[in-house]
Amino acid sequence: DIQMTQSPSTLSASAGDRVTITCRASQSISNWLAWYQQKPGKAPKLLIYKASSLFSGVPSKFGGSGSGTEFTLTITSLQPDDFATYFCQQYTSYPYTFGQGTKLEIK
Amino acid sequence: QVQLQESGPGRVKPSQTLSLTCTVSGVSISSGTYYWTWIRQHPGKGLEWIGYIHYSGTIYYNPSLKDRLTLSLDTSKNQFSLKLRSVTAADTAVYYCAREDRGLPGYGVDYWGHGTLVTVSS
Repeated sequence: DIQMTQSPSTLSASAGDRVTITCRASQSISNWLAWYQQKPGKAPKLLIYKASSLFSGVPSKFGGSGSGTEFTLTITSLQPDDFATYFCQQYTSYPYTFGQGTKLEIK
Repeated sequence: QVQLQESGPGRVKPSQTLSLTCTVSGVSISSGTYYWTWIRQHPGKGLEWIGYIHYSGTIYYNPSLKDRLTLSLDTSKNQFSLKLRSVTAADTAVYYCAREDRGLPGYGVDYWGHGTLVTVSS
């Protein structure tokens, strides 16, 4: 299985900040990477697909980049609604695998 | 709009079979590019891919669960289902059904159900 490693595990930030989360794959996944946002008690929501494409209805404050084994999710102008847990997921080979998550907390 | 809803018992006894159904609305499960998927999340932990089923009969099971798992679908009810046999406490998790879209441009898993917590306990 392809291992996905996210960093950091926890990120403290303030409203208005810009933050970056990193996801590394144990082998090349080309650009077959998705980013999800999950709030407590809710299902994950797709934010980014194919590493850098914004899913329908997702605000442009979310941005993704990278290819191969290293990827980033950037969130600008943090608002209270953005404080959540973020997961990356590779979908180049089964079983699809997820990063362990990054919890974005209010500083 | 596309909606998925899991249903099934919230508690299952050890060694018994966990059975869940996902009811899909807003789209036909017989649509060619969609793969109907189960994913679980252990309490406070990350996400684990369980498997998928396509209306053509193509099925994939995570090797870690393959020996205990059966996926099926019912096109007449627009539903798909999961059965996990011989459960233990390690199978306690929130179970999500989801849709993977393999058509262009390559969304991947784009819609999820709300999830249902299944606790394995006597």
